[in-house]
Amino acid sequence: DQQVKQNSPSLSVQEGRISILNCDYTNSMFDYFLWYKKYPAEGPTFLISISSIKDKNEDGRFTVFLNKSAKHLSLHIVPSQPGDSAVYFCAASSNSNSGYALNFGKGTSLLVTP
Amino acid sequence: SAVISQKPSRDICQRGTSLTIQCQVDSQVTMMFWYRQQPGQSLTLIATANQGSEATYESGFVIDKFPISRPNLTFSTLTVSNMSPEDSSIYLCSVGGLGRIYNEQFFGPGTRLTVL
Repeated sequence: DQQVKQNSPSLSVQEGRISILNCDYTNSMFDYFLWYKKYPAEGPTFLISISSIKDKNEDGRFTVFLNKSAKHLSLHIVPSQPGDSAVYFCAASSNSNSGYALNFGKGTSLLVTP
Repeated sequence: SAVISQKPSRDICQRGTSLTIQCQVDSQVTMMFWYRQQPGQSLTLIATANQGSEATYESGFVIDKFPISRPNLTFSTLTVSNMSPEDSSIYLCSVGGLGRIYNEQFFGPGTRLTVL
């Protein structure tokens, strides 16, 4: 059963515009959320995270928003750059399961066009 | 973060054989995990590699199929036993408990396995 869902398998955005990647989760025990970026033939790279006690976390061009009541989070990239083209994975964890193991979505492939 | 390497980076194997994947970290880490990413799917946790004791497996994964060793705090191996084409996946190790946020995990480059 997929507890973390990324319903958009792909997204195309023009350079300089905002990219918004969405993620939904079903397990209310999740209390920490992460975004990873993955290039082909490489492992996922940690991008940004947010604790369930917050509703926003910002790091440079990347901002993650958390809506706990809707069990929804999103990653905003502003402005988008061609180098941002990659697959983005949303992940969630709970301190009560598997010692901080991560539950991943299927990923959204972002293409930023010049 | 940490520098994580995996060997081999890729392999093509015959069904019925076994492959051992190595994960080496450049510093001692508390937590090590093994994940699998099947084609078109998300990353799925196979097990938590425990130093000095048996690994903790997730539902659907068993020790006979995926034996794991973790002899020290910088090294772990995952063996994929008696392989079938369904085992064709990317296998990734990750480490956690490094930074100020305990939940953050850092991944190795992955091992791309194809079983014929």
